Amino acid sequence: DTGVSQDPRHKITKRGQNVTFRCDPISEHNRLYWYRQTLGQGPEFLTYFQNEAQLEKSRLLSDRFSAERPKGSFSTLEIQRTEQGDSAMYLCASSLGAGQQETQYFGPGTRLLVL
Amino acid sequence: QKEVEQNSGPLSVPEGAIASLNCTYSDRGSQSFFWYRQYSGKSPELIMSIYSNGDKEDGRFTAQLNKASQYVSLLIRDSQPSDSATYLCAVIGRVVRGSQGNLIFGKGTKLSVKP
Repeated sequence: DTGVSQDPRHKITKRGQNVTFRCDPISEHNRLYWYRQTLGQGPEFLTYFQNEAQLEKSRLLSDRFSAERPKGSFSTLEIQRTEQGDSAMYLCASSLGAGQQETQYFGPGTRLLVL
Repeated sequence: QKEVEQNSGPLSVPEGAIASLNCTYSDRGSQSFFWYRQYSGKSPELIMSIYSNGDKEDGRFTAQLNKASQYVSLLIRDSQPSDSATYLCAVIGRVVRGSQGNLIFGKGTKLSVKP
């Protein structure tokens, strides 16, 4: 399978716990994006990387959230001290960055439920 | 004003009919437009991209772009029950520093194709 992969696919946690999600982009894609989607809404941008550099962060990304892409390949998104409002689908997308005509391909997502 | 607006639906069409999905966007500087299909509980899947005014056809799908009116549409000909899904319109945000490329999504239109 050469698409974007995410792990885990589902995560249930208790409020206050930390969680970490992993995304493996399509091979050779230099851009990697994280989005969050809640019920009835479109995905909302969180952050993105070009290679290993984190170039943009949304104001949605509070200081409890951190993302890394240490070697410019896979990325991790960590949420510390989870809150019930963090319950959502976390989507990763990758692209071969080419300015305005880049196409982003999404992984299957990680569905987080905070109890 | 929301950046990307779509009628949330549901839009119900009979099998074999043409489904017409509409989207407006607020940033006149936007250059790239995408339609994604999202089945319930799944991640977005790219259907079409369009960058120039006019029509772009791919099989049963036609995307239409009118930059003067800031309007994008998706037509689905010969609609099938398997087309029943939420259709997300997305725009790449204006590139002002040469480093942005995140997608800005509408809330999506839920399409139901009745046999």
